[in-house]
Amino acid sequence: QLQLQESGPGLVTPSQTLSLTCTVYGDSITNTGYSWGWIRQPPGEGLEWVGTISYGGATYHNPSLRSRVTISLDTSKNHFSLNLRSVTAADTAVYYCARQASCRGGCYPHLDYWGRGTLVTVSS
Amino acid sequence: QSALTQPPSVSGSPGQSVAISCTGASSDFGSYNRVSWYQHPPGTAPKLMIYEVTNRPSGVPDRFSGSKSGNTASLTISGLQAEDEADYYCSLYTSSNTWVFGGGTKLTVL
Repeated sequence: QLQLQESGPGLVTPSQTLSLTCTVYGDSITNTGYSWGWIRQPPGEGLEWVGTISYGGATYHNPSLRSRVTISLDTSKNHFSLNLRSVTAADTAVYYCARQASCRGGCYPHLDYWGRGTLVTVSS
Repeated sequence: QSALTQPPSVSGSPGQSVAISCTGASSDFGSYNRVSWYQHPPGTAPKLMIYEVTNRPSGVPDRFSGSKSGNTASLTISGLQAEDEADYYCSLYTSSNTWVFGGGTKLTVL
């Protein structure tokens, strides 16, 4: 059974960089046909997509984050990471990682497995 | 990015059926089957319930069904159970390889 687990600091100082890792168990992040994404949920609000990285390393991010986002793969550790620069209180949220599947190109993408999420608070 | 509009809340009694709507304005939404639905009980991981508008992943009860008419997609839950109480989100995978989520709908089982 595929499992995803987020990890990283729960508290980040304003203007610094938020760094999170998602470790994948039960599948290889280089498995063709899958991409890996980050989604967040600010307190009391809905889900917001942050960005995605494909098995080949192509990345896409939410335009509203103004290129503060970097997503990368570490194949040796079978995990992928999120760096969000110049954070403010508005970046306080539960951050989820998820697998994006597309039936190996046979169907439109959907997020079929999610981690339980990790709360990151931006505060001095 | 295009916005997806969902009602803030819906409710129903056990055994009843409820429908949650999701309205989008873009051609990505109306012309293609790019919509998926997620169940999110508080404090847990979101769960995929429907993909490509109507497809149900294995393990999801057939009480959950999806449909789309024009620019409105719907998630229908029949035979409502207490365990169905959660937030539900529709989402759209756009032609620009980005994701848009609806604002979420809180389902209350009375």
